[in-house]
Amino acid sequence: RKEVEQDPGPFNVPEGATVAFNCTYSNSASQSFFWYRQDCRKEPKLLMSVYSSGNEDGRFTAQLNRASQYISLLIRDSKLSDSATYLCVVNTGFQKLVFGTGTRLLVSP
Amino acid sequence: SAVISQKPSRDICQRGTSLTIQCQVDSQVTMMFWYRQQPGQSLTLIATANQGSEATYESGFVIDKFPISRPNLTFSTLTVSNLSPEDSSIYLCSVGEVGTANTGELFFGEGSRLTVL
Repeated sequence: RKEVEQDPGPFNVPEGATVAFNCTYSNSASQSFFWYRQDCRKEPKLLMSVYSSGNEDGRFTAQLNRASQYISLLIRDSKLSDSATYLCVVNTGFQKLVFGTGTRLLVSP
Repeated sequence: SAVISQKPSRDICQRGTSLTIQCQVDSQVTMMFWYRQQPGQSLTLIATANQGSEATYESGFVIDKFPISRPNLTFSTLTVSNLSPEDSSIYLCSVGEVGTANTGELFFGEGSRLTVL
């Protein structure tokens, strides 16, 4: 089983739609969780951290369920510029980050 | 944040040769990491480059194949040796503090795209 699993997509949505991505992780001792964004042929960049209480940053909401070892990212009012690959990332506590394979999002006009 | 310069940005190499990738950071950093991103896949950590000591390699990666140098706190190199087509990938240098809970922001270089013929 992979340490971090994501649906690769692609998710094709129209502008203005709400879309949700899910991610599961296998190591119950994992300490912290993140969503990164990677544009085509570009390096990954941190989108947001994920806290147990859930956190929101504008149109983006991240949730963590430690009991189910599940992380989610919700994007509201999708923009064309949101088209990218979203990487679920887990800090396993061994001084390294483990990256999921990413979920590709395509927002169309 | 940190600004990371990687070079070359891309290269095409013959099998059996080696390629050295350089990573320069605009500030002193403790932790530097080398990742590989194969086509259609996510990032896989190759090793952590330690200043003043040998790199720490992840399972499946060995020093003979991926020798790493870290002569100071702003610079590192990754060499991919004895190239084969399976080494065709993007190699990314990154820096960040991930040693404690709730840390997880890595800054990445733009990557070095390697094609092995």
